[in-house]
Amino acid sequence: DGGITQSPKYLFRKEGQNVTLSCEQNLNHDAMYWYRQDPGQGLRLIYYSQIVNDFQKGDIAEGYSVSREKKESFPLTVTSAQKNPTAFYLCASSSRELTGNTIYFGEGSWLTVV
Amino acid sequence: EDKVVQSPLSLVVHEGDTVTLNCSYEVTNFRSLLWYKQEKKAPTFLFMLTSSGIEKKSGRLSSILDKKELFSILNITATQTGDSAIYLCAFSLGATNKLIFGTGTLLAVQP
Repeated sequence: DGGITQSPKYLFRKEGQNVTLSCEQNLNHDAMYWYRQDPGQGLRLIYYSQIVNDFQKGDIAEGYSVSREKKESFPLTVTSAQKNPTAFYLCASSSRELTGNTIYFGEGSWLTVV
Repeated sequence: EDKVVQSPLSLVVHEGDTVTLNCSYEVTNFRSLLWYKQEKKAPTFLFMLTSSGIEKKSGRLSSILDKKELFSILNITATQTGDSAIYLCAFSLGATNKLIFGTGTLLAVQP
């Protein structure tokens, strides 16, 4: 079945470590997105990519990095420069003609700094 | 800079109450406004609105967009405990295909 797979679901990071969250889709979607969500709040855009080998910063890109070497994959690295990385991270993808029911979300990844 | 503000931030009601959630925006050149319900993990799609003044309805939920006053509302009538969730509005931006979300409203429905 087509969909988006995020991994890991739960991740613990020590201070000063970089971690990478995986996002893979088999929907043949051009656009992919990474969002951060803090408890009880909305989604804030970290990075997005409209096409392979291209990506743009969102509203809160500092301390994060991404790559888009393949259409199916859009990994997010949370670097040690991100001062408060504990949050829920959601990956999404969509076709070029973005409509409400053609946006797919992953199940999310919980990152906790210990 | 595009801005999307939802109000209230949180709301506690009793079963059977009617609630109105607001999404105010300062967004230029958007293709559509979207409403989502998020219970535990990924948001689930509720409505897509593109035209002003046309109500979308699905069961006890309805939504409308006012492009003149720059807001949208989501109404839930006869609320149930299963309606407890975070409700998110989002905009798909035409030129960039960027999708931005509002601050969210946390709704708690008590039995």
